[in-house]
Amino acid sequence: AQRVTQPEKLLSVFKGAPVELKCNYSYSGSPELFWYVQYSRQRLQLLLRHISRESIKGFTADLNKGETSFHLKKPFAQDEDSDLYYCALSGLAGNTGKLIFGQGTTLQVKP
Amino acid sequence: DAGVTQSPTHLIKTRGQHVTLRCSPISGHKSVSWYQQVLGQGPQFIFQYYEKEERGRGNFPDRFSARQFPNYSSELNVNALLLGDSALYLCASSPGHSNQPQHFGDGTRLSIL
Repeated sequence: AQRVTQPEKLLSVFKGAPVELKCNYSYSGSPELFWYVQYSRQRLQLLLRHISRESIKGFTADLNKGETSFHLKKPFAQDEDSDLYYCALSGLAGNTGKLIFGQGTTLQVKP
Repeated sequence: DAGVTQSPTHLIKTRGQHVTLRCSPISGHKSVSWYQQVLGQGPQFIFQYYEKEERGRGNFPDRFSARQFPNYSSELNVNALLLGDSALYLCASSPGHSNQPQHFGDGTRLSIL
């Protein structure tokens, strides 16, 4: 079965501390994975995708097929990083029109 | 360029009624997908349409239906509304012809009384 698991509902870190939002997936083919951020609990905006290997707002994520993980990392948390983050898996090979989302992790950056 | 636009932004209905939600994709995008997001959960895939054909369907009852028009805009229809249909309904578009990521609209918040 295709599934995305984000084990932490809430992650609290201090400003300046490293951040790691965990994401594990279950998929039988070659996965395509994304991280989205949901601003103000409404608009979902793409943060990054594994095939582009970009770094957006200091965030990076590496696909680890052995551990079936796609954790989101940032070396130093900033106030503006506080938000709701979703990991998502493309559920159809070659078609990003069906995304399977995890339950989401709220990142809270404390002063 | 305008992003994905959805209407209405908010809607209140009562049980048993039906509702139509609308979505206009980004110009040039031919694929539209619909998601339901219940409070506190991640979005759940409902439908994908590409070139006016249904390309994928999630695990939703037949009360949910959708269609795509020649201009690639889309409607999501829900009949016989239940309290459990209260959710944020998100529309996303993508070019559809490659592995380009989806871009989401702001959603329609549907409340069932």
